[in-house]
Amino acid sequence: EIVLTQSPGSLFLSPGEGATLSCRASQSVTSSYLAWYQQKPGQAPRLLIYGASSRATGIPDRFSGSGSGTDFTLTISRLEPEDFAVYYCQQYGSSSYSFGQGTKVEIK
Amino acid sequence: EVQLVESGGGLVQPGGSLRLSCAASGFTVRSNYMSWVRQAPGKGLEWISVIYSGGSTDYADSVKGRFTISRDNSKNTLYLQMNSLRDEDTAVYYCAREQYVSGSYSYFDYWGQGTLVTVSS
Repeated sequence: EIVLTQSPGSLFLSPGEGATLSCRASQSVTSSYLAWYQQKPGQAPRLLIYGASSRATGIPDRFSGSGSGTDFTLTISRLEPEDFAVYYCQQYGSSSYSFGQGTKVEIK
Repeated sequence: EVQLVESGGGLVQPGGSLRLSCAASGFTVRSNYMSWVRQAPGKGLEWISVIYSGGSTDYADSVKGRFTISRDNSKNTLYLQMNSLRDEDTAVYYCAREQYVSGSYSYFDYWGQGTLVTVSS
């Protein structure tokens, strides 16, 4: 089973600042199968990025994904008030799926 | 419009059973990979089971042998039969549709609102 480790656990930032979230895998992940989700309290997760770098439908271009192999990054260029939430990376491989433990982006 | 609506959650004693349902609309369940993902209170997301379009299934080790995923094509509904429930199974359970093309992509594009399962005596 591939373990995904996200860092940092929490990020305290102000609106307008940029955010860089990391997702590191315990072994190489097929980039095509790496996704990022946003979750707000009381809501289901929402797909942001798939294939490591492709934005899902309706996702603003301030969200971008990059990376390959074992290191992946979600970047939010300028935080809007609605972006304060928890972010999860997720991968599929060998008939199993796994999520990172999440990074919480909080208002400073 | 694609919609997923879970039901069947509730309070159950340790060792008990519960069946969750996920009614789908706007697409055909049997033509897609469908998963259950759970989230314990205050914790992260945990994938627990998938049923592929061909009907085969996979499970996380944490639920293997206790949970069974299935679907009813005539009702366009996904199910999760949960037996031998433990305290640590307490969570919100989400069903999710997966978009998958071998070598191209895999991701969960639609999620239900979740149903809470509480295992407690």
